[in-house]
Amino acid sequence: SQKIEQNSEALNIQEGKTATLTCNYTNYSPAYLQWYRQDPGRGPVFLLLIRENEKEKRKERLKVTFDTTLKQSLFHITASQPADSATYLCALDFAGGYQKVTFGIGTKLQVIP
Amino acid sequence: DGGITQSPKYLFRKEGQNVTLSCEQNLNHDAMYWYRQDPGQGLRLIYYSQIVNDFQKGDIAEGYSVSREKKESFPLTVTSAQKNPTAFYLCASSNNNEQFFGPGTRLTVL
Repeated sequence: SQKIEQNSEALNIQEGKTATLTCNYTNYSPAYLQWYRQDPGRGPVFLLLIRENEKEKRKERLKVTFDTTLKQSLFHITASQPADSATYLCALDFAGGYQKVTFGIGTKLQVIP
Repeated sequence: DGGITQSPKYLFRKEGQNVTLSCEQNLNHDAMYWYRQDPGQGLRLIYYSQIVNDFQKGDIAEGYSVSREKKESFPLTVTSAQKNPTAFYLCASSNNNEQFFGPGTRLTVL
């Protein structure tokens, strides 16, 4: 069965530095890979989507890469701020549209002032 | 405001009782989903619906039931058959790849 691996340990980073989160998966590559942010006690919020034929996607201070050879996605937050502290979830979408999406357990990011 | 609402935010029930969690969306989305989230685990899919009057089991459907009589509504019933129902339940909707989540309902079985 498909597995998603995110670093389950918390990532602590100094304010202003670039945070890099990793999402690895097994077996076959998804058509799309998504990243979400989740704050404690709340529902996840969509951040970025990258397609299998795209290498990189950017949105403001966020950057996502997708390497289907390594079966890995990297999620970067540049010039990190304490407000970026949250849990970040990686999700694999194999069919797009209305099909089911598989989520990783997330990585908790703490940005230290 | 467009969005997804879930109610109640906190729910307590006695063991052996069925309970229904509400999920409503005004985003005009066709697809709706129910997930369960436990500490140290990712979101696990319980049921999803791609269109009114149709739904499919997810990865952990046992002990749960749903209905989709209206496009806007996708209630989840946690039955007494669910062995370990205490969890954080999240509802989502989608019209393309992006999923919009509600605020969640934290269910505690006493």
